[in-house]
Amino acid sequence: TQLLEQSPQFLSIQEGENLTVYCNSSSVFSSLQWYRQEPGEGPVLLVTVVTGGEVKKLKRLTFQFGDARKDSSLHITAAQPGDTGLYLCAGADNYGQNFVFGPGTRLSVLP
Amino acid sequence: AAGVIQSPRHLIKEKRETATLKCYPIPRHDTVYWYQQGPGQDPQFLISFYEKMQSDKGSIPDRFSAQQFSDYHSELNMSSLELGDSALYFCASSLGGDRTYEQYFGPGTRLTVT
Repeated sequence: TQLLEQSPQFLSIQEGENLTVYCNSSSVFSSLQWYRQEPGEGPVLLVTVVTGGEVKKLKRLTFQFGDARKDSSLHITAAQPGDTGLYLCAGADNYGQNFVFGPGTRLSVLP
Repeated sequence: AAGVIQSPRHLIKEKRETATLKCYPIPRHDTVYWYQQGPGQDPQFLISFYEKMQSDKGSIPDRFSAQQFSDYHSELNMSSLELGDSALYFCASSLGGDRTYEQYFGPGTRLTVT
């Protein structure tokens, strides 16, 4: 069974600061997705990374997939209170099966 | 753009009762997934269907069953409800066969068992 670990588990920062959250596994993933979830709502897909070393940017968010496709990072520049939420990474193994979620990073951006 | 629809949004049941949750996937999506999310936890995969056939099974209790219909909507049937079944239940859909397996989630059904 493949597992995804995320760090940090909790993060509280001031508006305007930068931050990076990490998603790691000992297994190779065919793809990794990042989701953002607000309390009581469904996770919202932010990005999918497929190719090792791939970097994708979504406004102030930069996503990177590790060269070995075992890890990923999400970097947020100049965080805003609207970025507050639970950030989940998720992925499927090399055969496109066994889709799993990481435990999430709970981000709080204070005004 | 059309999203995943779930109904009802909120449901209150008593112990030992039954509940049925419904999910309508994004148009043209042929794969549906069900997840259970307890307070402070990440979504736990229950079961999935691809083209109306069960494609994968996770931690779904034997008291629960699900199916996908010809119009691709899915229903999760929960019997002999227990207090521990209280959670958010999410349905997600994807276009099967895509190796990226991007799943799009519905707003969830909050089930409270009293």
